[in-house]
Amino acid sequence: DTAVSQTPKYLVTQMGNDKSIKCEQNLGHDTMYWYKQDSKKFLKIMFSYNNKELIINETVPNRFSPKSPDKAHLNLHINSLELGDSAVYFCASSPFRSSSTDTQYFGPGTRLTVL
Amino acid sequence: AQTVTQSQPEMSVQEAETVTLSCTYDTSESDYYLFWYKQPPSRQMILVIRQEAYKQQNATENRFSVNFQKAAKSFSLKISDSQLGDAAMYFCAFLEIQGAQKLVFGQGTRLTINP
Repeated sequence: DTAVSQTPKYLVTQMGNDKSIKCEQNLGHDTMYWYKQDSKKFLKIMFSYNNKELIINETVPNRFSPKSPDKAHLNLHINSLELGDSAVYFCASSPFRSSSTDTQYFGPGTRLTVL
Repeated sequence: AQTVTQSQPEMSVQEAETVTLSCTYDTSESDYYLFWYKQPPSRQMILVIRQEAYKQQNATENRFSVNFQKAAKSFSLKISDSQLGDAAMYFCAFLEIQGAQKLVFGQGTRLTINP
């Protein structure tokens, strides 16, 4: 079974559209994250949720809205897509400030292409 | 704010040889974690090795080991007996323990293995 899964793996869409990326983890972790990897491979945190509560919001445009229906799921909704949103989006999860590990485990990534 | 620098955009090594990837970081924190992640062409982010800053002993995972120099804020990755499957982008990452649980990544080093 995949520990952190994302759907879809590829997403091609037109400028101005609204799209969502879904993420699910079956590791029993409390915290989930969204990272963005740009065309130069640079990875940067976007959001983090702990037990459905937003704890990190890294000055991301408000066209991006994360939603966590429960602690195993963190979805990313993007409104009015722009060319600059083209990137690979990674979901990750970790135990929150666990004494045993703070390692983050990543999903396979979603490559978003905006035309 | 923490920063992570990987000064080698690309490295290459002959199969079966040893290679060292460099990473330096900047922080005012005394307690934190450091990671190396591998991203092969499949784009999956795979944890290679992890180091707790309070531990003086360098972490080792099979052919992978680190040289952690806390005073110098240096965290290099040594890959011994390089294999073709080691070819990938390698990212150094920093995680502070007390603050928000966000990974701060370096720019990445693309490692090529020559047969």
